Amino acid sequence: DVKVTQSSRYLVKRTGEKVFLECVQDMDHENMFWYRQDPGLGLRLIYFSYDVKMKEKGDIPEGYSVSREKKERFSLILESASTNQTSMYLCASSLSGGTVINQPQHFGDGTRLSIL
Amino acid sequence: SQQGEEDPQALSIQEGENATMNCSYKTSINNLQWYRQNSGRGLVHLILIRSNEREKHSGRLRVTLDTSKKSSSLLITASRAADTASYFCATDSLGGSNYKLTFGKGTLLTVNP
Repeated sequence: DVKVTQSSRYLVKRTGEKVFLECVQDMDHENMFWYRQDPGLGLRLIYFSYDVKMKEKGDIPEGYSVSREKKERFSLILESASTNQTSMYLCASSLSGGTVINQPQHFGDGTRLSIL
Repeated sequence: SQQGEEDPQALSIQEGENATMNCSYKTSINNLQWYRQNSGRGLVHLILIRSNEREKHSGRLRVTLDTSKKSSSLLITASRAADTASYFCATDSLGGSNYKLTFGKGTLLTVNP
């Protein structure tokens, strides 16, 4: 089974801090995604990466950056955390083959991030 | 605007009953996917149905797709307490981004023992 592991289940940080969320997948997937999930808003795509060092902005990239130095690891960075970034963050991965959207995505269990 | 929207927002049934959830979307699609999310966990992929397919089965799950009505339904037969979860549909957009899925807000299914 595909395993997507997010480094922390719960994280509490302070406003203005630089925050790193880490995600590792063990199935050699080319594609990796970062979403945030908020009540009433559903899942929204922050960033997508289709290869090492390659990235595409999603719907809400402002205030975030990403890093993919190795195929299995995709990091989300909050440059200067703000309270409106308090949320559940979900990482996902998928195979390539055809188009990305034709592949099922495999999710980690999420990081619940609170910014105080 | 939201591409996929589930209906109802919440559904409560007894164990053994069938559960039906619906998803409507606005623009033409290549495929539609259904996911399940248990409380406090990540999403789990259930089924992918392509735009040229009308029905697909996986165990106790049956998914239908009506592209003329821009809608899909997920049927869970003989439900179990373990089926209690939120269920999401996710759609792409024909001719749009080749990597972006749009998720609905989900249907919260509660199966009472």
